[in-house]
Amino acid sequence: EAGVVQSPRYKIIEKKQPVAFWCNPISGHNTLYWYRQNLGQGPELLIRYENEEAVDDSQLPKDRFSAERLKGVDSTLKIQPAELGDSAVYLCASEPLTGGRGTQYFGPGTRLLVL
Amino acid sequence: AQSVTQLGSHVSVSEGALVLLRCNYSSSVPPYLFWYVQYPNQGLQLLLKYTTGATLVKGINGFEAEFKKSETSFHLTKPSAHMSDAAEYFCAVMGSGGYQKVTFGTGTKLQVIP
Repeated sequence: EAGVVQSPRYKIIEKKQPVAFWCNPISGHNTLYWYRQNLGQGPELLIRYENEEAVDDSQLPKDRFSAERLKGVDSTLKIQPAELGDSAVYLCASEPLTGGRGTQYFGPGTRLLVL
Repeated sequence: AQSVTQLGSHVSVSEGALVLLRCNYSSSVPPYLFWYVQYPNQGLQLLLKYTTGATLVKGINGFEAEFKKSETSFHLTKPSAHMSDAAEYFCAVMGSGGYQKVTFGTGTKLQVIP
């Protein structure tokens, strides 16, 4: 089965520019997560979806970050405008309904560099 | 609230030697515990997890971990390191009741010396 797909893999932008990341989870996985991983740190949750509903967005900086999962399948995370401190790896993960809570399947991530 | 502390941001072992990566957790409810591995430029991959039952958990690639409630620990071990084990390892915790987010540690980078 195909894994979690993310694009682009790398993105370099100047500060104040917008940027968007795309994620396609494993087929049939209802739960989708977006994480941010800063250099030398573990992933930190930004938002969690159950199907198309954002059930935990408490960690999402809503002044500049937005996310959507319109049909409950793929998802987009957007930053507008980007700041220098947004440089990080953005990871998408999905989780099946059955098979164990907390068992997440991660994509390779999008490495963002803001200049 | 849950948290994990990984002792040692970098660990070096010789090929064939024992691997021991330390993780201590804090949780207000019975925890679920995980170890993930991350190879360069890749996402995280689940190595093993503890939910309930047997406290010694075996995972992929010869790794295992033991849940010790009295010590609030979940250390990861492998009897004999292989060069391919060089990666970053993350311990993670999640509360067992209702929806609880997974909280990751800061990671331990394992270097295997030939």
